[in-house]
Amino acid sequence: DTAVSQTPKYLVTQMGNDKSIKCEQNLGHDTMYWYKQDSKKFLKIMFSYNNKELIINETVPNRFSPKSPDKAHLNLHINSLELGDSAVYFCASSRNWSRERRYGYTFGSGTRLTVV
Amino acid sequence: AQRVTQPEKLLSVFKGAPVELKCNYSYSGSPELFWYVQYSRQRLQLLLRHISRESIKGFTADLNKGETSFHLKKPFAQEEDSAMYYCALKLTISNFGNEKLTFGTGTRLTIIP
Repeated sequence: DTAVSQTPKYLVTQMGNDKSIKCEQNLGHDTMYWYKQDSKKFLKIMFSYNNKELIINETVPNRFSPKSPDKAHLNLHINSLELGDSAVYFCASSRNWSRERRYGYTFGSGTRLTVV
Repeated sequence: AQRVTQPEKLLSVFKGAPVELKCNYSYSGSPELFWYVQYSRQRLQLLLRHISRESIKGFTADLNKGETSFHLKKPFAQEEDSAMYYCALKLTISNFGNEKLTFGTGTRLTIIP
């Protein structure tokens, strides 16, 4: 009964490949996010979607394209992978309702991407 | 600019000693602050919200608007407290659904037995 689940947990791939990471939440949350945690453990937001609509798109290369088929899913597709893309990618979700907006986010367990 | 600063990248404390993890923020609006914890190779978990003024696992954090700080404290450290701790500031970008959590750079806390 994982609340926010990501697949795969580990992904090792060669430079230049295209790969996808999937995220699903069963919490009924309205907003979903992708965060990147680099080798220095720094966490930075990449994207957020609210009810399938792109809300936040931080300065991320065009090779990264999020897709939200419905509000319970937010997938991350990465084209032409580079060595610098190696990181742990976390999916998260949260509610919008005003009285619940003061709650934090629920994070997935992360996908460790290694580009070789 | 909105920013969260955690000045200590690494902090080592003996078991039983008090712990204080520092967090300062910069935000022109009314801040919503959180502490998240990440145990080794696990997901980020919410530890504390400033709005609820709760104590979780013996940790507390008080929002000091005058000093723009939200330091995390625990009177007696335990070995299982060893983890990465992130302070986070929720920024509202527009009214409904448009917000994001901005994280500090994190502090790795190691409890020495």
